[in-house]
Amino acid sequence: GESVGLHLPTLSVQEGDNSIINCAYSNSASDYFIWYKQESGKGPQFIIDIRSNMDKRQGQRVTVLLNKTVKHLSLQIAATQPGDSAVYFCAETGSSYKLIFGSGTRLLVRP
Amino acid sequence: KAGVTQTPRYLIKTRGQQVTLSCSPISGHRSVSWYQQTPGQGLQFLFEYFSETQRNKGNFPGRFSGRQFSNSRSEMNVSTLELGDSALYLCASSLLGTENEKLFFGSGTQLSVL
Repeated sequence: GESVGLHLPTLSVQEGDNSIINCAYSNSASDYFIWYKQESGKGPQFIIDIRSNMDKRQGQRVTVLLNKTVKHLSLQIAATQPGDSAVYFCAETGSSYKLIFGSGTRLLVRP
Repeated sequence: KAGVTQTPRYLIKTRGQQVTLSCSPISGHRSVSWYQQTPGQGLQFLFEYFSETQRNKGNFPGRFSGRQFSNSRSEMNVSTLELGDSALYLCASSLLGTENEKLFFGSGTQLSVL
């Protein structure tokens, strides 16, 4: 069946270091992937997306890498800040009109 | 431009009751999706609406229903509430709901069933 999962449920990093959050997906036909950030008491907030015809996409302090060979997605956050502390979800387009979300990784930034 | 608005923000109900949640999408967005978020199951798709038509439905019992109005606003209803229905219900909108569109989420309605 379709599923998107994460290797690490919790990631603790030092402020200023780079963070890498990983995600595995199982549907090789998925064409579109998104990373969301969810802070306590809020809904998921879009961070960055990537289509399957790309390997890498960069945003402001964030980079998403897509490895279709091993069905792996990662989110890199440069110079991690306290405001980056949140739960991060990867999501893929499953069947029509819906996203399939991973279980989430909690990022804790140590001062 | 206002974001996705969900009301109410918090709701407490008892078993057996029914509840209606409301969602106003971003202006111009015609696709509205609903997701249930729980600590155990994560984010799970409930249903998606476009132009007042349900195009896709997740694996939830018939007690969960929804609808969309001509102005794209949407409501979801849960009847005969069970304790396990306690969750954060999230609404998301996008322009057309196509496969390569990002969803914009509201802050959710936190439903507690006692």
